[in-house]
Amino acid sequence: SAVISQKPSRDICQRGTSLTIQCQVDSQVTMMFWYRQQPGQSLTLIATANQGSEATYESGFVIDKFPISRPNLTFSTLTVSNMSPEDSSIYLCSVESGLNTDTQYFGPGTRLTVL
Amino acid sequence: GDSVTQMEGPVTLSEEAFLTINCTYTATGYPSLFWYVQYPGEGLQLLLKATKADDKGSNKGFEATYRKETTSFHLEKGSVQVSDSAVYFCALKKSSSASKIIFGSGTRLSIRP
Repeated sequence: SAVISQKPSRDICQRGTSLTIQCQVDSQVTMMFWYRQQPGQSLTLIATANQGSEATYESGFVIDKFPISRPNLTFSTLTVSNMSPEDSSIYLCSVESGLNTDTQYFGPGTRLTVL
Repeated sequence: GDSVTQMEGPVTLSEEAFLTINCTYTATGYPSLFWYVQYPGEGLQLLLKATKADDKGSNKGFEATYRKETTSFHLEKGSVQVSDSAVYFCALKKSSSASKIIFGSGTRLSIRP
């Protein structure tokens, strides 16, 4: 399985500001995914990021609010823009790794609180 | 559309009790099925998986069998420990690699010493 790290692990931000979350993988992967987990809720997919192409967003999520970069096969960023308290969540990246393309492995998450 | 339904929590058990967390799914085709675990303050960890009917996934004393006839993937453990206290998510994924994972709502498990 892949080893995934995220930065920051947590942050407290003011309304109206933006935060960029980094996701680093220890091996090259084609597909990277960003999820949101609102307090006490399950996970919801925000977008899928392939290297070299635009991210694909799920219904209810837009690029202006959650811009994603995927500059290479081991790294991605998710920005949460113009934040409001409703954006307070855990944000997780995940990857499909190696031959197990039916399995996704998750990073430790970034716990975001917006005041 | 595809979906996963799991029993609502919280579930509270005494140490060494038998655990069952029910999970059923709705999906076309032959999805892979997963149990993920989220310990307090941490991200998700893959607990076990099964990729075809009648497969049994197992890890750390937990087991789940892929039952296509009942579209179920119930999680079981014979003797739980305090350290098993966590939130457990049942999930499915279609066979194509680009498809997303669909998660159940999660079941919070608390084990009393």
